[in-house]
Amino acid sequence: NAGVTQTPKFQVLKTGQSMTLQCAQDMNHEYMSWYRQDPGMGLRLIHYSVGAGITDQGEVPNGYNVSRSTTEDFPLRLLSAAPSQTSVYFCASSYRQANVLTFGAGSRLTVL
Amino acid sequence: AQSVTQLDSQVPVFEEAPVELRCNYSSSVSVYLFWYVQYPNQGLQLLLKYLSGSTLVKGINGFEAEFNKSQTSFHLRKPSVHISDTAEYFCAVARPQGGSEKLVFGKGTKLTVNP
Repeated sequence: NAGVTQTPKFQVLKTGQSMTLQCAQDMNHEYMSWYRQDPGMGLRLIHYSVGAGITDQGEVPNGYNVSRSTTEDFPLRLLSAAPSQTSVYFCASSYRQANVLTFGAGSRLTVL
Repeated sequence: AQSVTQLDSQVPVFEEAPVELRCNYSSSVSVYLFWYVQYPNQGLQLLLKYLSGSTLVKGINGFEAEFNKSQTSFHLRKPSVHISDTAEYFCAVARPQGGSEKLVFGKGTKLTVNP
């Protein structure tokens, strides 16, 4: 089925380690984004991309890096993990002006 | 800039009771409005959307919402809830000419349906 695929579903890191959360979509959506979800905070936009080769910062970009080399893929890199980055991360995509996001199932990250 | 306020962080109800989840937004321009639902351990999915036209919008699973421009509200309602409606519900607002990056989410309302 078409959709947004995130890997891994769960990950435990030690402080200072780096890792990449993968996101892929097969709907030919121009727009892709990463959110983090924390209790009582709702969804906060980390980074987004409006097309291959174009990325921009969202509300909470510090400590994260992204790139968009293809339309399909939008990985999120944690450069040096910190306990404050313990969260559930969601990748989402849409057509550029549609505003209707398709979400992945989420990646739960714990930083010790 | 737009903002969204979901007035209740948690709403417990009994099965087959009606429910209303409240959402207010602030914007000086016309808006698009959305409700998303997140079932336990899943991603969000679109429940319904208001873009223009009729102010009463029907969505999936028997939910509906009414756009009230004068009160800047977009409350979500269901006349009779089921156990399976237990989930977190997010209201969101966007500008018609803005891209998806301009979508602003509320902090969510956890609906718990008890037997």
